[in-house]
Amino acid sequence: GAGVSQSPSNKVTEKGKDVELRCDPISGHTALYWYRQSLGQGLEFLIYFQGNSAPDKSGLPSDRFSAERTGGSVSTLTIQRTQQEDSAVYLCASSLGFLRGQYFGPGTRLTVT
Amino acid sequence: AQKVTQAQTEISVVEKEDVTLDCVYETRDTTYYLFWYKQPPSGELVFLIRRNSFDEQNEISGRYSWNFQKSTSSFNFTITASQVVDSAVYFCALSAPTGANSKLTFGKGITLSVRP
Repeated sequence: GAGVSQSPSNKVTEKGKDVELRCDPISGHTALYWYRQSLGQGLEFLIYFQGNSAPDKSGLPSDRFSAERTGGSVSTLTIQRTQQEDSAVYLCASSLGFLRGQYFGPGTRLTVT
Repeated sequence: AQKVTQAQTEISVVEKEDVTLDCVYETRDTTYYLFWYKQPPSGELVFLIRRNSFDEQNEISGRYSWNFQKSTSSFNFTITASQVVDSAVYFCALSAPTGANSKLTFGKGITLSVRP
């Protein structure tokens, strides 16, 4: 079946602009995660959605970052007023539920100039 | 706090050699899960294995094997008879759920290069 998909695959933006990154999880997966992968920080957890529960936003690095998940499926990660330190690969993962294996998408490479 | 340490940063071997990737974890939780992921040059993280803290039985899958030892807080990964296609970055990860969040805490990754 189809895996996790993310769009765009690459995004170049100017400092100060807002960006939206999209994730389509595997159909039927109730849990959705966003991670960020950068050279300096490795792989970091950002936010977690599970069904209709309130998301766990404990990994978001600043209030410029937000995410939503509509209809329990597609998720959008929004970064407002982008900074150069936001440059990274943003990875989305989904799983069948709590503590099941997480399946990752190909990521969105964000470059802030 | 949870922590995963992959002390090896880069390993280079010749094809057909065996190679072991080390992983040491820290958690105060008694229930936790350990994972290995592979990230080939294409960039996509590929799930390899999940183990829970109550099951210390070692696992073998083809050329891959995993050695989980709670006494040393280690979850090492061995590739037998390595192949060029094994070249990738390998991440060890830990999930020790607090509340309802099963987020993964990753190690820094080990870059494995297998030369023909």
